[in-house]
Amino acid sequence: QLVLTQSPSASASLGASVKLTCTLSSGHSSYAIAWHQQQPEKGPRYLMKLNSDGSHSKGDGIPDRFSGSSSGAERYLTISSLQSEDEADYYCQTWGTGIQFGGGTKLTVL
Amino acid sequence: QVQLVESGGGVVQPGGSLRLSCAASGFTFSSYGMHWVRQAPGKGLEWVAFIRYDGSNKYYADSVKGRFTISRDNSKNTLYLQMNSLRAEDTAVYYCAKDYGGNDWYFDLWGRGTLVTVSS
Repeated sequence: QLVLTQSPSASASLGASVKLTCTLSSGHSSYAIAWHQQQPEKGPRYLMKLNSDGSHSKGDGIPDRFSGSSSGAERYLTISSLQSEDEADYYCQTWGTGIQFGGGTKLTVL
Repeated sequence: QVQLVESGGGVVQPGGSLRLSCAASGFTFSSYGMHWVRQAPGKGLEWVAFIRYDGSNKYYADSVKGRFTISRDNSKNTLYLQMNSLRAEDTAVYYCAKDYGGNDWYFDLWGRGTLVTVSS
């Protein structure tokens, strides 16, 4: 069964970096994912598609501070030089048998 | 301006019906598949339905299969979601989202959403 697992919460200080993790279930380590950001009271925004080899393609207007990487079944979203507007929920999403979302990680910028 | 704007949400009684619309602009609507995704209050995202660019194929989550129907009118650049036999658990913000294209099903453009509340 295709499942994405995310930590419910993360925090980091203004100006620092943070690395969020999305883990694919066993047997699905070759799958690509997409990362989406949802700021409070807003609709989601597409950040990037991330492949199993770590290559990624970002959406229009997504700052260079956002990057992606992969290792095995793990897919990462790294945000550097954290700003207050980065405080948001971050969802990973994949496809195969239907479309699956991770549970989301709530990022707090301290 | 590239955007998606949903409308049609509101309060409906259990067992009732509602039709959502999503107006697309700024891109060639007829070239892309489209999705509906929902988010229950305080919860995460849940994919609801997908329709191919020409309406030839439609796919649904098990939770809405047989009750919801996705459709599109490419002449009007508009996506629809007909929701019948509504239940309390269908209460959510409903987002339309543009498919990236090709064989990868992910969303590269989202709307702002419309709230559906199922309550007596």
